Amino acid sequence: GQQLNQSPQSMFIQEGEDVSMNCTSSSIFNTWLWYKQDPGEGPVLLIALYKAGELTSNGRLTAQFGITRKDSFLNISASIPSDVGIYFCAGRPNFGNEKLTFGTGTRLTIIP
Amino acid sequence: EAQVTQNPRYLITVTGKKLTVTCSQNMNHEYMSWYRQDPGLGLRQIYYSMNVEVTDKGDVPEGYKVSRKEKRNFPLILESPSPNQTSLYFCASIKKRLAGGGSYNEQFFGPGTRLTVL
Repeated sequence: GQQLNQSPQSMFIQEGEDVSMNCTSSSIFNTWLWYKQDPGEGPVLLIALYKAGELTSNGRLTAQFGITRKDSFLNISASIPSDVGIYFCAGRPNFGNEKLTFGTGTRLTIIP
Repeated sequence: EAQVTQNPRYLITVTGKKLTVTCSQNMNHEYMSWYRQDPGLGLRQIYYSMNVEVTDKGDVPEGYKVSRKEKRNFPLILESPSPNQTSLYFCASIKKRLAGGGSYNEQFFGPGTRLTVL
């Protein structure tokens, strides 16, 4: 199947710092999604992107759909303790196809 | 309350002993999906279902079966579990959302089932 490379694999940052993570694909996606997974729970959707070049914000989170359709970025500004968790990107290759490919995840740890 | 439920939440079993993990959603969604989550590999799709009696393979379907006899339920069946199926399993119910000329699916995940096969 298709591969999504997500980096970094893990991040250790101090509270208040900004965070950046990205996903790259070997093929084109028509939809990019970003999820967050809290410990012991299932992932929850943060942001959805459906147009190349699109920049979308959700509070302190900002995500971008790469112009090549092969990458996406997620930024978190002014991190707080509740931002801890694993962040996943996910891509949908075709409209009308409900298959999703997930990235390998970025584990975010915040140092008080 | 809109939710996806999975049972059991934890299961330890032995190689070859058939098991079923149930998944139920109360949101009347047509689409449902099963994933497994393994360290360093993220979530990988096992099977998905577009509607009652309509299912298709995901990226890692080997060793699994599913059925969709009614809209709300989508059980995952392991006929002969093996140790390499030890994993964290998530069921998802999928709502299709339209947004400004495009569409995307919002996946509502269940709480997960941690399976250990000895």
